[in-house]
Amino acid sequence: GNSVTQMEGPVTLSEEAFLTINCTYTATGYPSLFWYVQYPGEGLQLLLKATKADDKGSNKGFEATYRKETTSFHLEKGSVQVSDSAVYFCALSDSTDKLIFGTGTRLQVFP
Amino acid sequence: DTAVSQTPKYLVTQMGNDKSIKCEQNLGHDTMYWYKQDSKKFLKIMFSYNNKELIINETVPNRFSPKSPDKAHLNLHINSLELGDSAVYFCASSPRRAGSNEQFFGPGTRLTVL
Repeated sequence: GNSVTQMEGPVTLSEEAFLTINCTYTATGYPSLFWYVQYPGEGLQLLLKATKADDKGSNKGFEATYRKETTSFHLEKGSVQVSDSAVYFCALSDSTDKLIFGTGTRLQVFP
Repeated sequence: DTAVSQTPKYLVTQMGNDKSIKCEQNLGHDTMYWYKQDSKKFLKIMFSYNNKELIINETVPNRFSPKSPDKAHLNLHINSLELGDSAVYFCASSPRRAGSNEQFFGPGTRLTVL
């Protein structure tokens, strides 16, 4: 079946460091790919998305590129801030339109 | 002007009780969902409805019964609550346009079963 695998957390970084959170997927067909963010005590917010191969999603300095050849959608940010501390979820949307989530990666950024 | 709202935000109850969680969206979307997030933050879909019709039921115990009185509302009723039902439940909605399934989530309802 379809699935999403994310790197284990927590990821701990100093402010202004470079961030990469790895995400790979297994799916039949051509899923849409998403990154959602969950700040402490809040619901999920869509961070960025890509709907076809080679698309790059970007928002708030975060980027991810849909790589069909490596079935990956890694999240990157050039310079993280303390306010980026949250749990990040990679997800795919399959042919039934449900979202299948990875296990989430907690990011902790220290000043 | 909240897009997807849920009530209550917190729900504490005893084992064996019956409880409901309400969800409303004002985005004009046709499709609504319920997700469960366990203590390890793992998120899994439970149900989805499109225009008041059930389209996804992910082998959830039949103690859980979703009800959609209209396409803007999707409520979740849980009978005979068990300790393992303790989790955060998220409602979401989507326009379900071809080529994109961006879903908008509510703030969650934290259910604690004692």
